[in-house]
Amino acid sequence: DTAVSQTPKYLVTQMGNDKSIKCEQNLGHDTMYWYKQDSKKFLKIMFSYNNKELIINETVPNRFSPKSPDKAHLNLHINSLELGDSAVYFCASSHQPGGEQFFGPGTRLTVL
Amino acid sequence: AQRVTQPEKLLSVFKGAPVELKCNYSYSGSPELFWYVQYSRQRLQLLLRHISRESIKGFTADLNKGETSFHLKKPFAQEEDSAMYYCARGSNYKLTFGKGTLLTVNP
Repeated sequence: DTAVSQTPKYLVTQMGNDKSIKCEQNLGHDTMYWYKQDSKKFLKIMFSYNNKELIINETVPNRFSPKSPDKAHLNLHINSLELGDSAVYFCASSHQPGGEQFFGPGTRLTVL
Repeated sequence: AQRVTQPEKLLSVFKGAPVELKCNYSYSGSPELFWYVQYSRQRLQLLLRHISRESIKGFTADLNKGETSFHLKKPFAQEEDSAMYYCARGSNYKLTFGKGTLLTVNP
């Protein structure tokens, strides 16, 4: 299946812990993204990467560190998790920057 | 800053009724606009993009530059259309989303 995949699908953890979410796309796209969907279902861009290079960091706390080992992967590492980090995190990719984006299934993060 | 406004948080219609989900965007050059849909417990998926000018699942959306609008319309709503709909604007390296409209189509 050609798609954007994320792991894990659910993540429940304690405040202060460090966790990672992985994202992979096999669509051959050059551009990948992370979005956060809050409890009110509002979607906001966090990061954009193009050819493994960071393009956008939309005022995200530096506890969040994306890493792109290659063009097909964009992982999100979060340090010192806080209650307010609880959300659904979506990875996406696109062939062209700003064009149609293909989304992963989302990772529901719950911080207790 | 680019803004996408969806004025209705919730929209409820009966099956067979027409439906219009409103979207306005802040003017800036030539926008690239999209409608994404999120069915319950599923990922976001593209419904329409303004440059394709096609109809998907009976939905259409016309870009009106004078009114800076990109409203989504369907003449006869179906129960399976119930979902969260997001209007989005594409620009360099990101999509800016509206806050979404939850459409409920009642039997």
